[in-house]
Amino acid sequence: NAGVMQNPRHLVRRRGQEARLRCSPMKGHSHVYWYRQLPEEGLKFMVYLQKENIIDESGMPKERFSAEFPKEGPSILRIQQVVRGDSAAYFCATRPAGSYGYTFGSGTRLTVV
Amino acid sequence: AQKITQTQPGMFVQEKEAVTLDCTYDTSDQSYGLFWYKQPSSGEMIFLIYQGSYDEQNATEGRYSLNFQKARKSANLVISASQLGDSAMYFCAMRANYGGSQGNLIFGKGTKLSVKP
Repeated sequence: NAGVMQNPRHLVRRRGQEARLRCSPMKGHSHVYWYRQLPEEGLKFMVYLQKENIIDESGMPKERFSAEFPKEGPSILRIQQVVRGDSAAYFCATRPAGSYGYTFGSGTRLTVV
Repeated sequence: AQKITQTQPGMFVQEKEAVTLDCTYDTSDQSYGLFWYKQPSSGEMIFLIYQGSYDEQNATEGRYSLNFQKARKSANLVISASQLGDSAMYFCAMRANYGGSQGNLIFGKGTKLSVKP
């Protein structure tokens, strides 16, 4: 989706490595939601951030996962010491002003080998 | 706890016919929003239609309409005049409009729609 940029589009990591996923929301948007989609499943909420603040991380695994949204630059979802079960599509989203619908990025497909 | 149920893992429809994708939801909130998203094989999530819990009219967006039955807690998506390009996964989702939720969406497991020529 042109409004929300995610990169990389595809990421391959070996078990034990770190994965960094980036999300730049639409200009002027200071909040992002991160979701994870396991194969053959719907999206599951992970974390909601505003600039420099984590607002809700109730869906985030307690270990190895972290997220940030610095004052400058994209939001980063970081997965340390990846395992095969982390293989999934990771999406970020924001909600444009005046719109009911959330706009999603194109996602990052993480494959752990 | 809030929950979305989509009971049809897969559906087939003939091109140019209408199809209904089922969605039921569970929530104790009085104010909530219901969404449908399309996910083609390329993987992106495309917003289709929104229904607010207090909206009296069923939402419509082009060939998409949402059959909202509040008492039954159902929010079925109707696609009229199916096209080959409608073949995709379809996800129903809900957002609580206040309370502990920060506006995040809860998704169903999806229905894979295949349109036959």
